[in-house]
Amino acid sequence: RKEVEQDPGPFNVPEGATVAFNCTYSNSASQSFFWYRQDCRKEPKLLMSVYSSGNEDGRFTAQLNRASQYISLLIRDSKLSDSATYLCVVDLSGGYNKLIFGAGTRLAVHP
Amino acid sequence: DVKVTQSSRYLVKRTGEKVFLECVQDMDHENMFWYRQDPGLGLRLIYFSYDVKMKEKGDIPEGYSVSREKKERFSLILESASTNQTSMYLCASIYNTEAFFGQGTRLTVV
Repeated sequence: RKEVEQDPGPFNVPEGATVAFNCTYSNSASQSFFWYRQDCRKEPKLLMSVYSSGNEDGRFTAQLNRASQYISLLIRDSKLSDSATYLCVVDLSGGYNKLIFGAGTRLAVHP
Repeated sequence: DVKVTQSSRYLVKRTGEKVFLECVQDMDHENMFWYRQDPGLGLRLIYFSYDVKMKEKGDIPEGYSVSREKKERFSLILESASTNQTSMYLCASIYNTEAFFGQGTRLTVV
């Protein structure tokens, strides 16, 4: 079983739609959680951290459910520029910042 | 801004060649990582280093080695390149749990 699992998509949504991605992780000792964004042929970049209490950054909301070991990302009012692959990332840590990446969920926003 | 630079954007090598992929970061970070990215598999950790001359195996170290002689430079070595090592290779410098990636090296082994 993969340590971090995501639905690969693609999710094809119209502009203005709300879309949600889920991610599950297998290691209950995981300490930190993140969403990264990767544009086509570019390197991944940090989108946002995920906190236990849930957190919001503009149109983006991230939530963590430790009991069920899943993480979610909600994007409201989708823009064309949101088209990208969204990577769920877990830090197994132990102090070395050992980040484990999911395979990513592809989002395509169309006019 | 943190800058992570990989020496080549594209490389084509022959089977059996020894291949060096170089990565340099300019922010004095201690933790550096090498990943490979393949369709459907995502990023998989090959090796990482948390200090000069220190290295740890990741999830798929077979066929690879690394070198970290200076803090800013982390090199990935393919001892004898094989076609199944054709992939996108991404170097990352990680500080306070945030990863800063280089632009990637697309390696093709023929």
